[in-house]
Amino acid sequence: DQQVKQNSPSLSVQEGRISILNCDYTNSMFDYFLWYKKYPAEGPTFLISISSIKDKNEDGRFTVFLNKSAKHLSLHIVPSQPGDSAVYFCAASYNKGSDDYKLSFGAGTTVTVRA
Amino acid sequence: DTGVSQDPRHKITKRGQNVTFRCDPISEHNRLYWYRQTLGQGPEFLTYFQNEAQLEKSRLLSDRFSAERPKGSFSTLEIQRTEQGDSAMYLCASSLTTGREQYFGPGTRLTVT
Repeated sequence: DQQVKQNSPSLSVQEGRISILNCDYTNSMFDYFLWYKKYPAEGPTFLISISSIKDKNEDGRFTVFLNKSAKHLSLHIVPSQPGDSAVYFCAASYNKGSDDYKLSFGAGTTVTVRA
Repeated sequence: DTGVSQDPRHKITKRGQNVTFRCDPISEHNRLYWYRQTLGQGPEFLTYFQNEAQLEKSRLLSDRFSAERPKGSFSTLEIQRTEQGDSAMYLCASSLTTGREQYFGPGTRLTVT
């Protein structure tokens, strides 16, 4: 079953504006969340992460917000740049007690930044 | 600092043949993960190693799949008697024992004809 969902398959945004990507999860045991960026024919590249003890984490142009009560997180990219055009994956993990941090991924959102 | 590398990058094989992929993790990372990604989906977990020990396998990993990490460094993923449904991108990732972030390689794209 899909425990991490990205309901918007695509997003188009003008260069310089804000991109907002959304992600919902169903498993309340998830305690760590990550965003990855993927270009065609390459593996996912780690962008930013957030622990469940926080509600916001910022790194340069990227900010992730976590709303645990709603089981929702979002990634904000400000300002959007042409090089941000890629597929973005939301992922989540939890500690099963054996320190197993396997990731559960959403299906991805394709971001296109228009000049 | 070199990242995760995978070999080959592309593999085309005929149904029924065996294939083997290799993953070299980041050198100080002792955790290694294999994922599979099909078109339009996110990566799905296959299996996980802590050093040389394989600690978990997904239900997705049928008996035709086997993975090893003999000396706790590189890992291999073998698929026996390939089927068309095995066509996918196979991704390898590594992390530190204490790290929650996983770093991915470029993947091996398998096409079974």
